[in-house]
Amino acid sequence: DTGVSQDPRHKITKRGQNVTFRCDPISEHNRLYWYRQTLGQGPEFLTYFQNEAQLEKSRLLSDRFSAERPKGSFSTLEIQRTEQGDSAMYLCASSSRDRDNSPLHFGNGTRLTVT
Amino acid sequence: ILNVEQSPQSLHVQEGDSTNFTCSFPSSNFYALHWYRWETAKSPEALFVMTLNGDEKKKGRISATLNTKEGYSYLYIKGSQPEDSATYLCARISNQFYFGTGTSLTVIP
Repeated sequence: DTGVSQDPRHKITKRGQNVTFRCDPISEHNRLYWYRQTLGQGPEFLTYFQNEAQLEKSRLLSDRFSAERPKGSFSTLEIQRTEQGDSAMYLCASSSRDRDNSPLHFGNGTRLTVT
Repeated sequence: ILNVEQSPQSLHVQEGDSTNFTCSFPSSNFYALHWYRWETAKSPEALFVMTLNGDEKKKGRISATLNTKEGYSYLYIKGSQPEDSATYLCARISNQFYFGTGTSLTVIP
């Protein structure tokens, strides 16, 4: 168990550019979550996968955000035409469906800065 | 959106003091409550998973209680140490995880 890993750790981009982040969950976990955290706020839900199926997506998420988990393993989160308001910490977490009360295991996050 | 509220927002205590903070949440459609500790430059780590009204969990000097009928959970830290300094997050679980904004604890040596 190597834990949840996210890449990159930091990303600085200019407004209008597209960015893509990657998350590798714990291998036996079939649930994967993306969260966004801004200063002074708790993690805000973005989207959730069970295996390769995207089961829920936040209504707050604009069409510029898309996430995939093509083989039910790693996941990518893409932000198109980035805006300064997208600057935040993007956290990925995974959990095991076999235990519905299982806690989330978080990665170290990707910090995005849009200039 | 199900509002999960945590208080206080931040807290400074002296080493050796005991402290507690609150997580409040809507009591309807409750499934579980989680507590996480988030240290600077690290990822959040789970402390407790609580499901039943009246649950009490303990891990070393840290304990938590749960009241699902009135919609709150308390986290207690006995004899705070500098290594307890972190942000403590609670999350209410229904069909997904709803996080509070956290309580930032600083323990002063």
